[in-house]
Amino acid sequence: DTGVSQNPRHKITKRGQNVTFRCDPISEHNRLYWYRQTLGQGPEFLTYFQNEAQLEKSRLLSDRFSAERPKGSFSTLEIQRTEQGDSAMYLCATRVVMGSPLHFGNGTRLTVT
Amino acid sequence: DQQVKQNSPSLSVQEGRISILNCDYTNSMFDYFLWYKKYPAEGPTFLISISSIKDKNEDGRFTVFLNKSAKHLSLHIVPSQPGDSAVYFCAARDNAGNMLTFGGGTRLMVKP
Repeated sequence: DTGVSQNPRHKITKRGQNVTFRCDPISEHNRLYWYRQTLGQGPEFLTYFQNEAQLEKSRLLSDRFSAERPKGSFSTLEIQRTEQGDSAMYLCATRVVMGSPLHFGNGTRLTVT
Repeated sequence: DQQVKQNSPSLSVQEGRISILNCDYTNSMFDYFLWYKKYPAEGPTFLISISSIKDKNEDGRFTVFLNKSAKHLSLHIVPSQPGDSAVYFCAARDNAGNMLTFGGGTRLMVKP
């Protein structure tokens, strides 16, 4: 499968714990995006990487959230001190060049209890 | 403030008939529009797009219409098939081009 891969698919954690998600992009897709989707809403932009550089961050990305993309390949999204409001589907998307459609992974569903 | 709105949360259509999904936007800097389709437990998949220099784009059973003066676009699916049952998201990109802004989605149900 050469699509965008996200792990884990599901994560249940207790409030206050830290969680980390991973995204493996389609090979040669140098642009990588993280989105968050809550029930009944469309995906909301969180952050964007071009290669290893994080070029844009949404206001939604509080200081408890951090994303990295070492060496411009896979990316991780960490949430520290999780809150119940962090419960959502976290989607990773990549594309090869500006203007081409985004290719989404199947997401990581986070439940904070 | 939602810049992209899909005012119909759900739509039910009979198989073989036309499905029309609507989307409105407020940001006049948007210059490229896309429709994505999402099945349960999967990520959104790209369906069709249209540039702001066009008013129509067609791909098989799917046609997207853009009315810039009204800041409105629509997706027509004809004929509708049960396999088209999914959530459809409208998305828009501004001329900086870095990210997409999505609407809240419309759940389409095509009944056999």
